[in-house]
Amino acid sequence: SSELTQPPSVSVSPGQTASITCSGDQLGDKYVFWYQVKSGQSPVLVAYRGLGRPSGIPERFSSSKSGNTATLTITGTQAVDEADYYCQAWDTTTLFGGGTKLTV
Amino acid sequence: QVQLVQSGAEVKKAGASVKVSCKASGFTFDRYGINWVRLAPGQGLQWMGWISPKSGDTQYPQRLQGRVTVTADTSTGTAYLDLRSLTSDDTAVYYCARVPVSPRGRLNYFYGMDVWGQGTTVTVTS
Repeated sequence: SSELTQPPSVSVSPGQTASITCSGDQLGDKYVFWYQVKSGQSPVLVAYRGLGRPSGIPERFSSSKSGNTATLTITGTQAVDEADYYCQAWDTTTLFGGGTKLTV
Repeated sequence: QVQLVQSGAEVKKAGASVKVSCKASGFTFDRYGINWVRLAPGQGLQWMGWISPKSGDTQYPQRLQGRVTVTADTSTGTAYLDLRSLTSDDTAVYYCARVPVSPRGRLNYFYGMDVWGQGTTVTVTS
């Protein structure tokens, strides 16, 4: 099975736009999901299907995909968004990216 | 209330086994698969395995083959993770998470893991 590659860290100023990428072989053929993990808390699904977000997730979270790269975008980033973010896709096994630490 | 409630923290000696439970409530258990995912200190999320309670199908990562078993009891709506031959590298917080399955109990690739348990800390000592 393939691997998913994320940048280890992304830094953004409050109110600015944060973009976190996830790349992998044949990712274009798969649905990609994004999870937010804050220290001491369970992961939360914040975006899915490469196009949307679950109910209850703020509108500032969006996801997209181009070719074999998926992107999580947080528009108007807030301090509360500081967390680790992981992409995930289903394959012959379940794949997680290595995670990106977002600093606001 | 839709939730997954996991068993309490465990401390184990190296070489021992651990069994973590995950009890579902507020939803129909066999309409979902249960994944197990761990988060070790300084590491990223690692997938440990998956079971479809409806079909009984299981799937494990190659690196854990022979050391991990995931089971489910549909009568109680509880899933279990059994991890054997523990080492210090297995020290982590272990989570269960649900994902919808097809009417035949197959993994549904359209959906992500939308409900997670609160986590179970497993500490392995030498």
